[in-house]
Amino acid sequence: GESVGLHLPTLSVQEGDNSIINCAYSNSASDYFIWYKQESGKGPQFIIDIRSNMDKRQGQRVTVLLNKTVKHLSLQIAATQPGDSAVYFCAENFLTGGGNKLTFGTGTQLKVEL
Amino acid sequence: EPEVTQTPSHQVTQMGQEVILRCVPISNHLYFYWYRQILGQKVEFLVSFYNNEISEKSEIFDDQFSVERPDGSNFTLKIRSTKLEDSAMYFCASIDSPSSYEQYFGPGTRLTVT
Repeated sequence: GESVGLHLPTLSVQEGDNSIINCAYSNSASDYFIWYKQESGKGPQFIIDIRSNMDKRQGQRVTVLLNKTVKHLSLQIAATQPGDSAVYFCAENFLTGGGNKLTFGTGTQLKVEL
Repeated sequence: EPEVTQTPSHQVTQMGQEVILRCVPISNHLYFYWYRQILGQKVEFLVSFYNNEISEKSEIFDDQFSVERPDGSNFTLKIRSTKLEDSAMYFCASIDSPSSYEQYFGPGTRLTVT
């Protein structure tokens, strides 16, 4: 079946370094991809999204790269800070009659070491 | 900044009992969602709701589940006869239109079935 999954369950980085979190997807028909951040005890928080017709999008300290050839998505966080410690999920968006339905990946735990 | 709120934050119930989880979506939003997250696992779509009816539901959303928008502000998820495997975090989300991909998530309700 169609699925979204993450390569690495845990990523540890030093404060100030750049972080790269990867995600593989299998549904080539997905029109939109989103990265969410989930801190302990909280709901997912939108970080950045990218349309399927783009290959790169930049936000504040974050960049999302989309490689449709290999169905790969990545989130780059520049100058990682302790506040970036969280679980990061990629999600595929399906536009249905009821709006957008998100299919989440399994998540990567980002740990920022001081 | 407007936010989605959910009550209660933690609900403990006995197997076979009915529970109602409550959500107040952002006031001008029209599309509503419930997701669940079993501890340590990914966030899973349950149901989407628009114009007072279910738009789409997942395989998880069986006859034991129902949703309702009883008034202009609340959006509820009812589980009629809870099972141990219903123990999870339940997240409500909302968006203002299907062209918007940023679903706003609430903080979640932790449901524990004993």
